[in-house]
Amino acid sequence: NAGVMQNPRHLVRRRGQEARLRCSPMKGHSHVYWYRQLPEEGLKFMVYLQKENIIDESGMPKERFSAEFPKEGPSILRIQQVVRGDSAAYFCASSPPNRVHYNEQFFGPGTRLTVL
Amino acid sequence: AQTVTQSQPEMSVQEAETVTLSCTYDTSESDYYLFWYKQPPSRQMILVIRQEAYKQQNATENRFSVNFQKAAKSFSLKISDSQLGDAAMYFCGYNFNKFYFGSGTKLNVKP
Repeated sequence: NAGVMQNPRHLVRRRGQEARLRCSPMKGHSHVYWYRQLPEEGLKFMVYLQKENIIDESGMPKERFSAEFPKEGPSILRIQQVVRGDSAAYFCASSPPNRVHYNEQFFGPGTRLTVL
Repeated sequence: AQTVTQSQPEMSVQEAETVTLSCTYDTSESDYYLFWYKQPPSRQMILVIRQEAYKQQNATENRFSVNFQKAAKSFSLKISDSQLGDAAMYFCGYNFNKFYFGSGTKLNVKP
């Protein structure tokens, strides 16, 4: 059973470009979470999604950031018009559908975004 | 406010010695679990140990154990017989709907 997969592992963008980060959850997992880790800091929650639904986006910046988890395919975190402050490691985690608030989350290897 | 505090930004321990990393948290929830993750330079998040909040017995995983004081909202990690491979960032936190992480403690292990 493959773990959580994220791609790309490293992404370089110039200011003003768009960044798309992908996350494929573990098989059987229907919940996806995105976290951001700025340099020298811990992980901060961004958004929690189920298939075709955003459940909690309280950690998402109000502008330029969006996330989706379609019925088919991976979850996508999209950052439009990137700025240098978006440079960070972005982690995806997934969990199974039962006992939602108590479930262990399994982390992917992260995508390191560098904005030039 | 839901917060997690790790008051030790960096610690050092001699190989084979014991070290304790501190963590306090603040939540009004009753059913959650606490965790410690290790993050080596590869940045992969590796679960070290977890503790359900309703359990009074402290969790143990080989050389890793916790001291969970629920009333004090304290959840420290003890690493016994430290090894060079234990050197990493360590993050504590708790899980209720989503993970709440502390800012991390960098552990150095001296040979």
